[in-house]
Amino acid sequence: DAGVIQSPRHEVTEMGQEVTLRCKPISGHNSLFWYRQTMMRGLELLIYFNNNVPIDDSGMPEDRFSAKMPNASFSTLKIQPSEPRDSAVYFCASSFRTVNTEAFFGQGTRLTVV
Amino acid sequence: GQQLNQSPQSMFIQEGEDVSMNCTSSSIFNTWLWYKQDPGEGPVLLIALYKAGELTSNGRLTAQFGITRKDSFLNISASIPSDVGIYFCAGSYGNNRLAFGKGNQVVVIP
Repeated sequence: DAGVIQSPRHEVTEMGQEVTLRCKPISGHNSLFWYRQTMMRGLELLIYFNNNVPIDDSGMPEDRFSAKMPNASFSTLKIQPSEPRDSAVYFCASSFRTVNTEAFFGQGTRLTVV
Repeated sequence: GQQLNQSPQSMFIQEGEDVSMNCTSSSIFNTWLWYKQDPGEGPVLLIALYKAGELTSNGRLTAQFGITRKDSFLNISASIPSDVGIYFCAGSYGNNRLAFGKGNQVVVIP
């Protein structure tokens, strides 16, 4: 079975540039999560979608961050403009929403903003 | 937000030894999950626990959902070199949300 697929795996960009991270959730899953992982803060939930609708975006750091899920098989996380402090590993995860949540993670995108 | 405390933060163990790690919180969770993360990879789900008091095994892994629903432990028996990695606990609460601990780095010495 194909798991959660993220692209790119690595991204290096200059400060001020726009960055777009992509995610394809597991087929049949109806919840999608974007997380950010850093040494200092660990895994932080940025936003999650249920049935393609954003449910909670309270973890999105600021207006420079935006996420979309145009259909059940694709989501993007965009940072515009990027800053060095955005450097982190960004994970996408998906689950089939039930009372008991089991989220499956992609391999992540390592973002470096210089 | 919900806070999960994992202890210890890191541990060095001899190959063949058992290792235990805990996760505690002041909040109640509906589900407890344990993940393992290898370098350069995403967290991989190891065990899911759904009921208070539940004890579940997956090969050499055993985990329990605390009676108070505020804690969980994970035990790895007879450790092997490939057990090295970061182990995260996670608790689900509210509307399909997961809170994660900071992780426990396990190093297995051959």
